[in-house]
Amino acid sequence: QVQLVQSGAEVTKPGASVKVSCKASGHTFTGYYIHWVRQAPGQGLEWLGLVNTGTGATEYAQKFQGRVTMTRDTSISTAYMELIRLGSDDTAIYYCARTITTPGYLFFDYWGQGSLVAVSS
Amino acid sequence: DIQMTQSPSTLSASVGDRVTITCRASQSISRWLAWYQQKPGGAPKFLIYKASTLENGVPLRFSGSGSGTEFTLTISSLQPDDFATYFCQQYNSYPLTFGGGTKVEIK
Repeated sequence: QVQLVQSGAEVTKPGASVKVSCKASGHTFTGYYIHWVRQAPGQGLEWLGLVNTGTGATEYAQKFQGRVTMTRDTSISTAYMELIRLGSDDTAIYYCARTITTPGYLFFDYWGQGSLVAVSS
Repeated sequence: DIQMTQSPSTLSASVGDRVTITCRASQSISRWLAWYQQKPGGAPKFLIYKASTLENGVPLRFSGSGSGTEFTLTISSLQPDDFATYFCQQYNSYPLTFGGGTKVEIK
């Protein structure tokens, strides 16, 4: 069965960076995009961007350009999201989720369990 | 960016009620809309894509409709398992964006 298993919670300080991992199993890793979506406490869902697991190409939301880097390691079917220069408003649960790469199919059929990133001085 | 606006933000209903949630896009997205259900402490669960196509295994009491800028999610007979928050998402263009959510709570 398809699974996306994320790394654990991180507590960090303002100005620091964080790197979250997402290990995929149960499907052909390079056949899907892996996206990152975050949810601040009690808030809605916000898309950060995606990595094309086949080519490594990325697409980022403009809000996060220059602060986020999404990568993947195909040898271990794992995608990564690094966010730098963290502020308190980056405190959120960060989810990875997959979509098919075909235009018209950019909806998230499987999600990771979420990784809490807490930024506090 | 395409803004997605959901209404209502909270909906109080009873088991057996028919409930409808509306999602409006700031510009036409054709039928490139998905719906998700999220329960407290959990990740979103995928329900519907292309505005009205149910994901495999989703109960038939769920249905979606609409095109262009106005969409609805309907639960024909609310069940105890359906009390949750629902989000719409457009995938017409980047950045992908979500509605603010509709919490369906017990009346």
